Amino acid sequence: KTQVEQSPQSLVVRQGENCVLQCNYSVTPDNHLRWFKQDTGKGLVSLTVLVDQKDKTSNGRYSATLDKDAKHSTLHITATLLDDTATYICVVGDRGSALGRLHFGAGTQLIVIP
Amino acid sequence: VTLLEQNPRWRLVPRGQAVNLRCILKNSQYPWMSWYQQDLQKQLQWLFTLRSPGDKEVKSLPGADYLATRVTDTELRLQVANMSQGRTLYCTCSADAWGGHQDTQYFGPGTRLLVL
Repeated sequence: KTQVEQSPQSLVVRQGENCVLQCNYSVTPDNHLRWFKQDTGKGLVSLTVLVDQKDKTSNGRYSATLDKDAKHSTLHITATLLDDTATYICVVGDRGSALGRLHFGAGTQLIVIP
Repeated sequence: VTLLEQNPRWRLVPRGQAVNLRCILKNSQYPWMSWYQQDLQKQLQWLFTLRSPGDKEVKSLPGADYLATRVTDTELRLQVANMSQGRTLYCTCSADAWGGHQDTQYFGPGTRLLVL
C-alpha cells in the first residue's frame, strides 16, 4: 500500500500564477518530510525539509507546511516561472538519522506555460 | 559544481549479466551515502545507506539482487545482478548530512539500466 500520496498528479499553470501541491502520508513514525524538485533527466534537488510537529519553512518562492497530527504537507510555489516545470516529490523519513527509511511519493508533475 | 557523479550514466545489460555502478562524492563532509532504485513509472525506493569505508550490504528484491559497498569516504558502489529481462531500472545515489532544519540531501544524476 502506498504510504505517501501526492496530489494532484499533474498540474498546468500559467507563468506568474501561484500553485499548491499536496502530500498526505501514513508513515509512522514520521520524523521529517522533504520536498524535492526533479527536472527531466536530472537528479533530485532538495527544496526544503520540515521537522517539527507543526512546521513552516520558506526558501525563496517556495514555502512549505507540515502538520504531523494530520500527516499532511503542502508546497506553495509563488509567481511561477517556466523553469519551475518539473516533478515535485514528497519524501517522508521515519527516523532522524540516515539509517531510517525514506518513503517516496509518486510526485506531482508541474507544467508552467507562458 | 555537481556534488555527486555517477557512472555509467546508462547501460544496456545482457540478460544474466551483472553491472557495477559507481557514485563519487566531491565533498567528504556529507558522510551518509545511499542508493535508491526506481522502475519505470514507479516511485523511488530506498535500497541502502552506508556510512563507513568497508561497509557492505546485500539485498534481494523482486527483479534484482544488489550488493552495495562503501569503498572510501567519497566512493559508493552498487552491483546489480539477476535483473529481470526487459526491465528498465534507474539507480541513483545520494549524500547527506543530518541536522534538523539544516538537513541537506543531494542526489546524483542517476544511471539508467535496460535489461535485454
